[in-house]
Amino acid sequence: GQQLNQSPQSMFIQEGEDVSMNCTSSSIFNTWLWYKQDPGEGPVLLIALYKAGELTSNGRLTAQFGITRKDSFLNISASIPSDVGIYFCAGHPNYGGATNKLIFGTGTLLAVQP
Amino acid sequence: NAGVTQTPKFQVLKTGQSMTLQCAQDMNHNSMYWYRQDPGMGLRLIYYSASEGTTDKGEVPNGYNVSRLNKREFSLRLESAAPSQTSVYFCASVGETQYFGPGTRLLVL
Repeated sequence: GQQLNQSPQSMFIQEGEDVSMNCTSSSIFNTWLWYKQDPGEGPVLLIALYKAGELTSNGRLTAQFGITRKDSFLNISASIPSDVGIYFCAGHPNYGGATNKLIFGTGTLLAVQP
Repeated sequence: NAGVTQTPKFQVLKTGQSMTLQCAQDMNHNSMYWYRQDPGMGLRLIYYSASEGTTDKGEVPNGYNVSRLNKREFSLRLESAAPSQTSVYFCASVGETQYFGPGTRLLVL
């Protein structure tokens, strides 16, 4: 099955640093979503993007829907220890089937050193 | 994770045993999904239910069955568990986006 290419796989940073991660696909997507998963919990939606070029912020988080509709990035500014977790990109591909089916990236593990 | 509950939280099975994972949502959503999460694989769709009374296979349905008991509940059954089914299982309820439950951690020995 299709999966999104997400990078980097892991990041180990100091508190206060900015973080950037991205997700790419070989095919076009209609929506891009970014989730965060805390240890022992299910993924929680951070940002949803619905059209090409869209740039959306949620506090210290900013995400963009790529112009080609084949990629998206997530930036976290001034990281804090509670940003630790696994970040997943996900999207609805532009092909037939149940419109709510999501394809997930493999995740980026973020560790923040105080 | 508000509104989606899963039971049990943890389970250990022996190969060949059966079990049912339960999921319930109180958001009045039509669609519900079952995923499994394995290291380095992200989340993979097992089965989904677009509405009460309907179910369809996802990406990795082999070895599983599902039941959409009513609008609130969507259960996942392993008839004869195998070690390859050791994973974390997430249920999701779908409104304007997907809301995930806290997960069931399953170990098959």
